[in-house]
Amino acid sequence: DSGVTQTPKHLITATGQRVTLRCSPRSGDLSVYWYQQSLDQGLQFLIQYYNGEERAKGNILERFSAQQFPDLHSELNLSSLELGDSALYFCASSGPRASYTFGSGTRLTVV
Amino acid sequence: DQQVKQNSPSLSVQEGRISILNCDYTNSMFDYFLWYKKYPAEGPTFLISISSIKDKNEDGRFTVFLNKSAKHLSLHIVPSQPGDSAVYFCAANFGNEKLTFGTGTRLTIIP
Repeated sequence: DSGVTQTPKHLITATGQRVTLRCSPRSGDLSVYWYQQSLDQGLQFLIQYYNGEERAKGNILERFSAQQFPDLHSELNLSSLELGDSALYFCASSGPRASYTFGSGTRLTVV
Repeated sequence: DQQVKQNSPSLSVQEGRISILNCDYTNSMFDYFLWYKKYPAEGPTFLISISSIKDKNEDGRFTVFLNKSAKHLSLHIVPSQPGDSAVYFCAANFGNEKLTFGTGTRLTIIP
């Protein structure tokens, strides 16, 4: 157990639908990062939150949004889903300049 | 723009031999480099890191070498063991910026 919890582990949904992925960071970590890993691709940075505020944005589609709540858990919302959104979505948390700790990911399959 | 590149998608090495995984980067601002290991159905786990003020860091069977002039780093695993079979990601950042990952190298250790 890495200390970073992601739910659900698997998600199958139809095109056009909306889903919410949830992440609870490691205790004491203020930053949450979301990454997407598509088939045979590296980890693509989507967005970072730090203590409830958006800190950095990467290649995140406009159909995707995220937030971090006062208890520091984060949610990634994916809407108007397309087949190409099928991927592994990872959340990671880190302390100051520490290496990231990743959750086990959510595998999203859009059919 | 792929700022961190792993040009070998896969590598096979005999058990007991040395595994060498390579990584190149283009952003000269990067000052901290990390290697992550990923098993199927799990999130990436931190393996070893190196700061740009060093050219070598060793941890047991794992050694990371950094050549700043060539913007190149490598991970050496000696001796390679079957449990080392995984996907290895190189990552880099500077300051407190988010990590930028390479596309990964799938290492297979042949018994």
